[in-house]
Amino acid sequence: AQKVTQAQTEISVVEKEDVTLDCVYETRDTTYYLFWYKQPPSGELVFLIRRNSFDEQNEISGRYSWNFQKSTSSFNFTITASQVVDSAVYFCALSEAGNAGKSTFGDGTTLTVKP
Amino acid sequence: EPEVTQTPSHQVTQMGQEVILRCVPISNHLYFYWYRQILGQKVEFLVSFYNNEISEKSEIFDDQFSVERPDGSNFTLKIRSTKLEDSAMYFCASINGGAPDTQYFGPGTRLTVL
Repeated sequence: AQKVTQAQTEISVVEKEDVTLDCVYETRDTTYYLFWYKQPPSGELVFLIRRNSFDEQNEISGRYSWNFQKSTSSFNFTITASQVVDSAVYFCALSEAGNAGKSTFGDGTTLTVKP
Repeated sequence: EPEVTQTPSHQVTQMGQEVILRCVPISNHLYFYWYRQILGQKVEFLVSFYNNEISEKSEIFDDQFSVERPDGSNFTLKIRSTKLEDSAMYFCASINGGAPDTQYFGPGTRLTVL
């Protein structure tokens, strides 16, 4: 069975600080995708990134970066120089090849960035 | 850019009433999903649908729930007799080809059961 753990329930930082959101996953499949979503107060799920299990390259997109390490089953998300607009709930999710594409979500991390 | 749409954005109903939540997936997508998010909690999988039948469902998806693709564009979730605990945000999602793939989520329908 697949499982996603986001151990940090809430994180609070001051603007311009760097912050890392942790994600640890469990799966028996060798082919899977990992995702990060942002959920602002308005409630929609905003797709941030997808990472294929065969691609361990780290990725950077502006102030966002992701560190995928299969050896530790982790897919951590770092926001550099955080801004107030980054305040949201962030979800990590896992989708396995053998499960018709359904996603299993972590419990989410609520990030508050204070001015 | 194509997107998944959902209607209504907010539905208020009385306990015991039937509700139908509607979704229009992206037109060339083949797999469709419903997820539920109780306020303040995580997003939970309800059901997946492919080739006009349910491919997988969770324990949450009991006999009170049903899904349908009545035409070539809509994908609906029906709750037959709503309970207070059905109050949640319901998200529809779709993917293009073979799983796994990036799921495109709709904006959600907030269901409030009084």
